[in-house]
Amino acid sequence: RKEVEQDPGPFNVPEGATVAFNCTYSNSASQSFFWYRQDCRKEPKLLMSVYSSGNEDGRFTAQLNRASQYISLLIRDSKLSDSATYLCVVTPGGGYQKVTFGIGTKLQVIP
Amino acid sequence: DTGVSQDPRHKITKRGQNVTFRCDPISEHNRLYWYRQTLGQGPEFLTYFQNEAQLEKSRLLSDRFSAERPKGSFSTLEIQRTEQGDSAMYLCASSADGYNSPLHFGNGTRLTVT
Repeated sequence: RKEVEQDPGPFNVPEGATVAFNCTYSNSASQSFFWYRQDCRKEPKLLMSVYSSGNEDGRFTAQLNRASQYISLLIRDSKLSDSATYLCVVTPGGGYQKVTFGIGTKLQVIP
Repeated sequence: DTGVSQDPRHKITKRGQNVTFRCDPISEHNRLYWYRQTLGQGPEFLTYFQNEAQLEKSRLLSDRFSAERPKGSFSTLEIQRTEQGDSAMYLCASSADGYNSPLHFGNGTRLTVT
């Protein structure tokens, strides 16, 4: 089983739609979780951290489910500018620092 | 600019040559990471430094790859006897201490081996 698994997509959604991505992780001791956004041929950029209680930043909502070992990202009112690849990132615990990225989920918002 | 910087941005080399990339992290960040990314894949972990100590190295990293961070500031990644399969984007990232500190990436070095 891969350490971090994501559906690569692509997800093609119309402007204004709500879209959700999930990401599962294999290490139950994982401590920190993030969502990154990556535009074509650019470096990944932090979108948001994922907290145990769930957190929201404008149109973006991230949630963590430790029992089922997955995190999710919800994007409301999709914009054309949201078109990108969304990377799930997991940091293990116990002083182990190999920060692992998922394959990324490609989102294409269509006019 | 106080972000992570990488040099060069692009490198084209012939198979069998050695190449070296440089990364300057955010100055107050103690942690430094190298990743490799190919088209359609997520960044793949190569190695990690805490200050000058290389604490983890991927099993995917063959003996042809070596990384250093001699004074705990900038880092170099060297690839010896390059192969066509080494063609990829090499990304450097840094972070502060603390398990909830996110990684900040540089622009990357795109390597093409001909």
